[in-house]
Amino acid sequence: KAGVTQTPRYLIKTRGQQVTLSCSPISGHRSVSWYQQTPGQGLQFLFEYFSETQRNKGNFPGRFSGRQFSNSRSEMNVSTLELGDSALYLCASRVAQSTDTQYFGPGTRLTVL
Amino acid sequence: DAKTTQPPSMDCAEGRAANLPCNHSTISGNEYVYWYRQIHSQGPQYIIHGLKNNETNEMASLIITEDRKSSTLILPHATLRDTAVYYCIVRLSHYGGSQGNLIFGKGTKLSVKP
Repeated sequence: KAGVTQTPRYLIKTRGQQVTLSCSPISGHRSVSWYQQTPGQGLQFLFEYFSETQRNKGNFPGRFSGRQFSNSRSEMNVSTLELGDSALYLCASRVAQSTDTQYFGPGTRLTVL
Repeated sequence: DAKTTQPPSMDCAEGRAANLPCNHSTISGNEYVYWYRQIHSQGPQYIIHGLKNNETNEMASLIITEDRKSSTLILPHATLRDTAVYYCIVRLSHYGGSQGNLIFGKGTKLSVKP
């Protein structure tokens, strides 16, 4: 079974721009979560989507948003990019049942100049 | 905040067992212990999880104390490729579905040396 895939793997943007990252979950997985990883803050939860609805949200500003499509694929968007948004953005998918396990993708490395 | 405490770093000789401790003294009855590892700049990799009993899979063994306040991840024969940051996470799981928000601490940086 193919793992979680994320595109693009690397991205360079400038301050003020916006960016969209994509995540394809493992086949049969209905939930997608997004995380941001920076050297200073570590791995932090952004939000989770299930059945095209946001289920949980971390403590991030409204510039960070996401959506999920009917095929469970998910996108996250960051508007008005700031230098501090430079990070590894990770997507994780799970079946969405009790005691299920999250599996992570390889991440998208975003650099904001 | 993370509900676990781990040593920031550990060394292990190649071929020897690596024993990574984790303290989770405030764990509640329906919280599982999960272990992930992250090799430099890659996505975290699931290793193992457990509730009360010891668990073993092809990657590792998980030993949970009887009072569930601490656990140990054991890599039986560490190789250089096991060098990574290891995260211990407690996660609520309940009927109807668990939460999809893992709370990561700083983890333990394991260095396997030849």
